[in-house]
Amino acid sequence: GAVVSQHPSRVICKSGTSVKIECRSLDFQATTMFWYRQFPKKSLMLMATSNEGSKATYEQGVEKDKFLINHASLTLSTLTVTSAHPEDSSFYICSATSGGVDTEAFFGQGTRLTVV
Amino acid sequence: AQSVSQHNHHVILSEAASLELGCNYSYGGTVNLFWYVQYPGQHLQLLLKYFSGDPLVKGIKGFEAEFIKSKFSFNLRKPSVQWSDTAEYFCAVMGYSTLTFGKGTMLLVSP
Repeated sequence: GAVVSQHPSRVICKSGTSVKIECRSLDFQATTMFWYRQFPKKSLMLMATSNEGSKATYEQGVEKDKFLINHASLTLSTLTVTSAHPEDSSFYICSATSGGVDTEAFFGQGTRLTVV
Repeated sequence: AQSVSQHNHHVILSEAASLELGCNYSYGGTVNLFWYVQYPGQHLQLLLKYFSGDPLVKGIKGFEAEFIKSKFSFNLRKPSVQWSDTAEYFCAVMGYSTLTFGKGTMLLVSP
């Protein structure tokens, strides 16, 4: 299957700082990328959907100004957690799809964010 | 808005037992359906998918799922589970440009 690379895999940051997570599709053009947050012992919560060149569509309850998503190219989307707080500590996962009627999404390996 | 419901949060089985994990979705249009698996310490992997055609789809590692349109269901099955199937299983639905997951089912297979 196609490869989606997410970086970094782990990051620890101080409270109040910002952290950027990158999601790259390595061998296909990702017209749509999804960002998820996975809580311990819970499912993946869709945070936002981004289409290349457009503003991201955020799910209800997700703060747009806190979780900045940029999908500037067909192979790269970034999630920036701004002014991070300990409650933002979580596992963030991106996935990408090339679009079209019959496509599947491929997942990055996730980023474990710890805010101290 | 689309939603996905998985019936069981935790399932415990002995090796060789049969498995069926329920998944129901709600969405008014055409959907693509997926089952993903997340083994301990690993990232999500696709087990199987349904886009169109035969509603009984076969995936990797002996898993299969049946799409029943009238019931909005896409249940996952395996005739005989193994200890190595211990993992979390997620049902997912892709409607128009959005991929939504169920809450997941943690399967524990005891040897």
